Amino acid sequence: AQSVTQPDIHITVSEGASLELRCNYSYGATPYLFWYVQSPGQGLQLLLKYFSGDTLVQGIKGFEAEFKRSQSSFNLRKPSVHWSDAAEYFCAVGGTGGGNKLTFGTGTQLKVEL
Amino acid sequence: NAGVTQTPKFQVLKTGQSMTLQCAQDMNHNSMYWYRQDPGMGLRLIYYSASEGTTDKGEVPNGYNVSRLNKREFSLRLESAAPSQTSVYFCASSYERKGEQYFGPGTRLTVT
Repeated sequence: AQSVTQPDIHITVSEGASLELRCNYSYGATPYLFWYVQSPGQGLQLLLKYFSGDTLVQGIKGFEAEFKRSQSSFNLRKPSVHWSDAAEYFCAVGGTGGGNKLTFGTGTQLKVEL
Repeated sequence: NAGVTQTPKFQVLKTGQSMTLQCAQDMNHNSMYWYRQDPGMGLRLIYYSASEGTTDKGEVPNGYNVSRLNKREFSLRLESAAPSQTSVYFCASSYERKGEQYFGPGTRLTVT
């Protein structure tokens, strides 16, 4: 069965500092990987996705993520965090082996200190 | 384009009441999904529809039914609401099976 682990429930960073959110997945075939962001009271917005090819993927709002097959990881990074990045971030895994289904992690709540 | 729309935005039900959550997308997507979101549990798939005319159970289907009315619309029905169904419900759609999913704004449901 596919699964996603986001080990950090809460992270606090200072504005302007770098950010890395961790995501580890379990999947029996080639995974499709996603990062979503959710602001309070809103739906989920896609930040970036990995299907194949270059293992470093760029997304919106200055975010990037790196797929590391050997570590079963897909960590999200941003060089300099802005106060507006405060939100909850979800990693998700899917793929041809799992049909249509995406499996989401439990999320990481990001707080940005001014 | 409105994307994925959901109605209602908020709803309060008494135990045993029934209701239908509506979802529509205008992106010509083939697949549609219903999730529930509970604190500390992420999003869990209730039902999905890979294409018009098909529906399949997800991770937590008990207590729910769905209807894929046409390509645009996918409804979720609670026949006899229970307090355990208090949650935020999200509808999503995607163009193809591996594609990224686009989410609606959610319905916050409280069952008392």
